[in-house]
Formats: sequence, C-alpha cells, structure tokens
Amino acid sequence: GAVVSQHPSWVICKSGTSVKIECRSLDFQATTMFWYRQFPKQSLMLMATSNEGSKATYEQGVEKDKFLINHASLTLSTLTVTSAHPEDSSFYICSAQTRYRGGGIMASNQPQHFGDGTRLSIL
Amino acid sequence: AQSVTQLGSHVSVSEGALVLLRCNYSSSVPPYLFWYVQYPNQGLQLLLKYTSAATLVKGINGFEAEFKKSETSFHLTKPSAHMSDAAEYFCAVSLALTDKLIFGTGTRLQVFP
Repeated sequence: GAVVSQHPSWVICKSGTSVKIECRSLDFQATTMFWYRQFPKQSLMLMATSNEGSKATYEQGVEKDKFLINHASLTLSTLTVTSAHPEDSSFYICSAQTRYRGGGIMASNQPQHFGDGTRLSIL
Repeated sequence: AQSVTQLGSHVSVSEGALVLLRCNYSSSVPPYLFWYVQYPNQGLQLLLKYTSAATLVKGINGFEAEFKKSETSFHLTKPSAHMSDAAEYFCAVSLALTDKLIFGTGTRLQVFP
C-alpha cells in the first residue's frame, strides 16, 4: 500500500529555534500534500495544502510566515516552524495524495495517506 | 459547510463484544465519508471510505460502516472486539476525494479482557 514517511518522529528544541519536518511519499508520486496539527486529545486541524511546484494554500488563521511549507518534488514536502515557541508544541501530521488532471480539473481516485506524525516539543 | 459529530468521546467494550462508534454528518451535497484509526503517537490509518457506491462499506480489520442518508449517519461497527482494536477513531467528511478532510473530535475505544 501507499507509504508516507515523516521525519523526525520526535523533536525537542529550545524556544526561538526553527524546526524542519519532512514528509516523503515512498512508493507513489504525491502531487498534493496536506499538513495537519493535532493538540493532545483533540482532532486534526488542517493547516495547509500544498501542490508540487506551487505555493501552499493556508487555512484561515494559520500564519504562513510562521509555518513555511515547501513542496519542491513529487515525493517530498517540508514544514518549517520558524522561531518556534512553546505554544507551537503539538503533534504535526502530513498526508499525501496523487491527483491527475481530468476534464480540466484535478481529480483523484485515492484517499489521503498519512504519515506517522512528528511530536514537537518546544522548551 | 460540512461537519461531522462523533457521539461519545470514550467507548468501552469487553473483548468479543460488539463495537459501535457513532458518526453523524452534515453536508449540503452528497458527502464522501471516512473512518480513520490512530494508535498512540502515530498517524492515521484509513479503515474504510464511502464514495457514493454501496451504502454498506467493509473495511480493514473486520470493521464496516453503513451510510444512512435518512439519518445522516455513518456509524462504524465491528462484531467482535479485539484488544488490538483499542485506539482513537476519527470520522471525517469531504466534498470529494480531492477536497480537504473535516474531522470529528474522535472516539477513544477501550477494550477490556
């Protein structure tokens, strides 16, 4: 089945540090990747959607300058939390999907495949 | 706007008992519905999805869900719980497979021996 690898799985760093999280699709081309944030015992909230080679689309309330997303290839997207502070501590999960152009629109016949998440702790 | 409501943040069952996790949705158009499972410190694994084909959807690990338009429900069931089923379960809705997923608040399933 489709495999999405996320790295690192756990990171602890000091306040003010920038942290980069990688999301890789190992056995398929991910034209679209999604980044979610999950607080303890809560649901997933979509942060942004990125299409390969394009700028990410951020959800309302998500600071694009704070959470930098790069999707430069069909197998890799990165999320960089810049100048992280304790309130940025959370569980970050990526997902990936293959889309194709059909009838002038982007379509897909596959659901999103999720990585195992990255637990970020800012001291 | 679309939304899902998961009734019961915690469900406890005995091993071998029926599992029933409830999900109701709200959507102005025919929805796509999903059930995901999350084990501690892991991402989400797709259990099953409804994409307007058969209303009874069979998934992995013996789970199934039935889409009931009249009740706007998509409850997840499993005839006999295993200890390994203990996890967090999320119901999600989207307009299409390419649309963003809207997740419910999750239901934690505990299975007792």
